[in-house]
Amino acid sequence: QKEVEQDPGPLSVPEGAIVSLNCTYSNSAFQYFMWYRQYSRKGPELLMYTYSSGNKEDGRFTAQVDKSSKYISLFIRDSQPSDSATYLCAMRVSSASKIIFGSGTRLSIRP
Amino acid sequence: GAVVSQHPSWVICKSGTSVKIECRSLDFQATTMFWYRQFPKQSLMLMATSNEGSKATYEQGVEKDKFLINHASLTLSTLTVTSAHPEDSSFYICSAREGANTGDEQFFGPGTRLTVL
Repeated sequence: QKEVEQDPGPLSVPEGAIVSLNCTYSNSAFQYFMWYRQYSRKGPELLMYTYSSGNKEDGRFTAQVDKSSKYISLFIRDSQPSDSATYLCAMRVSSASKIIFGSGTRLSIRP
Repeated sequence: GAVVSQHPSWVICKSGTSVKIECRSLDFQATTMFWYRQFPKQSLMLMATSNEGSKATYEQGVEKDKFLINHASLTLSTLTVTSAHPEDSSFYICSAREGANTGDEQFFGPGTRLTVL
């Protein structure tokens, strides 16, 4: 079983829709949870960074962490074609530097 | 924000040759740099962690004699793929962290696509 599971998609939604991306994980020691956006043939770019459980909002993006269910989500409101990319969830144990990435969900926003 | 560059962005080489990839932090000093490998439609897999001036720490299953890492300065780390083979073809991404604390953010480079013929 992988430590982090993420549906690879692809996920295609119309412009303006709310997008929900999710990951599950098995290691209850994870404390830091991140979402990265990766455009084709580019390196990942950090979108959201959350410590422990709870919600965090930044513009059109909202990250949720439910440690009791070992489930994290990223919501994108008013989605734009420029949001089309692969979204990677990632997490790490608080005392370690190693980041464990999900396999990424490929998202396409249709104009 | 902090910028990390990689060079080259892509490289094609013959089987058996060695390839060097550079990773530079352009506007900050990176105490720690990380090297990842990403196969198509798969996750980033950490290969090794390097701290400036010391030997790199390799992840389990990564051959240190094949993937040579040098972190000679606070702004430059290099990954050399020695005696490359077609199965080494992949997207190699570095990241850099400024502080010594594990909570400090890592900034990723744009990646280097290696194709071994």
